[in-house]
Amino acid sequence: GNSVTQMEGPVTLSEEAFLTINCTYTATGYPSLFWYVQYPGEGLQLLLKATKADDKGSNKGFEATYRKETTSFHLEKGSVQVSDSAVYFCALNRGNYKLTFGKGTLLTVNP
Amino acid sequence: NAGVTQTPKFQVLKTGQSMTLQCAQDMNHEYMSWYRQDPGMGLRLIHYSVGAGITDQGEVPNGYNVSRSTTEDFPLRLLSAAPSQTSVYFCATATGVTGELFFGEGSRLTVL
Repeated sequence: GNSVTQMEGPVTLSEEAFLTINCTYTATGYPSLFWYVQYPGEGLQLLLKATKADDKGSNKGFEATYRKETTSFHLEKGSVQVSDSAVYFCALNRGNYKLTFGKGTLLTVNP
Repeated sequence: NAGVTQTPKFQVLKTGQSMTLQCAQDMNHEYMSWYRQDPGMGLRLIHYSVGAGITDQGEVPNGYNVSRSTTEDFPLRLLSAAPSQTSVYFCATATGVTGELFFGEGSRLTVL
């Protein structure tokens, strides 16, 4: 079946540090892949997406590349800010708008 | 535009009580869904609808009912609340080919 495994948190970084949150998936076919972000007290919002192999999604300095050969979609940012503190979810679309989510990774960035 | 609006934002129930979580959208999206979010579990799909008059079960439908009489509204009903239903509930809509979901701000439910 379809599943998403992402890096366990919490992750604590200093401002301007490099961020990587690992995400791997199992799926039939080639689903669309997403990273969602949830700020404290808010709903989830789409951070970036990729719809086919080798696509790179990017937004607000975050990037993730759809790697078919390693079934991965790791999230990266070169220099995090305090305002990036949030919970990050990796997800795949298993068809008909039904998304499978990872368990979430809490990121805390300290000044 | 308001997007996806959920009410109430917070609710405390006693075991056995019933209630309805409301979800309304003004984006004219055909697809609507309900997820629950629990610590360490990510988000799990409860019920979804691909259009007015059509609903189907997700991964964890037991204890919940839904209906979809209009494009705009998709209420989630708990007929007899149980402590295991203590959670944060999110309504989400979608349209287009990529499957991107648009979420409401969530409703935090506590069942005592």
